[in-house]
Amino acid sequence: DIQMTQSPSSLSASVGDRVTITCQASQDIRKYLNWYQQKPGKAPKLLIYDASNLETGVPSRFSGSGSGTDFSFTISSLQPEDFATYYCQQNDNLPSFGQGTNVEIK
Amino acid sequence: EVQVVESGGGLVQPGRSLRLSCAASGFTFADFAMHWVRQAPGKGLEWVSGISWNSGFIHYADSVRGRFTISRDNAKNSLYLQMNSLISEDTALYYCVKDRRYSADYYFDYWGQGTPVTVSS
Repeated sequence: DIQMTQSPSSLSASVGDRVTITCQASQDIRKYLNWYQQKPGKAPKLLIYDASNLETGVPSRFSGSGSGTDFSFTISSLQPEDFATYYCQQNDNLPSFGQGTNVEIK
Repeated sequence: EVQVVESGGGLVQPGRSLRLSCAASGFTFADFAMHWVRQAPGKGLEWVSGISWNSGFIHYADSVRGRFTISRDNAKNSLYLQMNSLISEDTALYYCVKDRRYSADYYFDYWGQGTPVTVSS
């Protein structure tokens, strides 16, 4: 099984801040890394697929990069609606998720 | 509009069975793989099982293999999860999730709102 390690597990930030979350895979997963946003009481939403491709309709302030074992997810200018929990997920093999990063208001 | 709506959750005793259903609409159900993903209370996401468009490929997480069975009925636009020998660790919100491809490539692009399963005596 491929283990996904996300960091940090939580962070506090202000509107307008640049926020970066990292995700590390326990083995090479090539480009097969996706990012999801989950707001309280809601289902997750796919934001980025294949490490760096923005899902249709997702604002361009969201971006992703990386390959192999090391990936990052960035919100260039945090907006009020971005406070949520973010998960990485690998799909190079049977899927597994990171433990999540809770982005809170500072 | 793509919609997936889960049903069948509830309170069940350890060792008993439960069958979840998912009704899909707004897309050609037979053209896409489907999955079940669960989330224990206050915890992260765990993929449970996936099935390709024609049921030719079926996969399970190690934690449920041998106890859970996924199936689909393309004529009824429906996905199912038969859960047997339930244990307390199966307590979670179960999401029905659409894949963006016909094979189980694990791109989860549409999620239902979930149906809760509680395993407790």
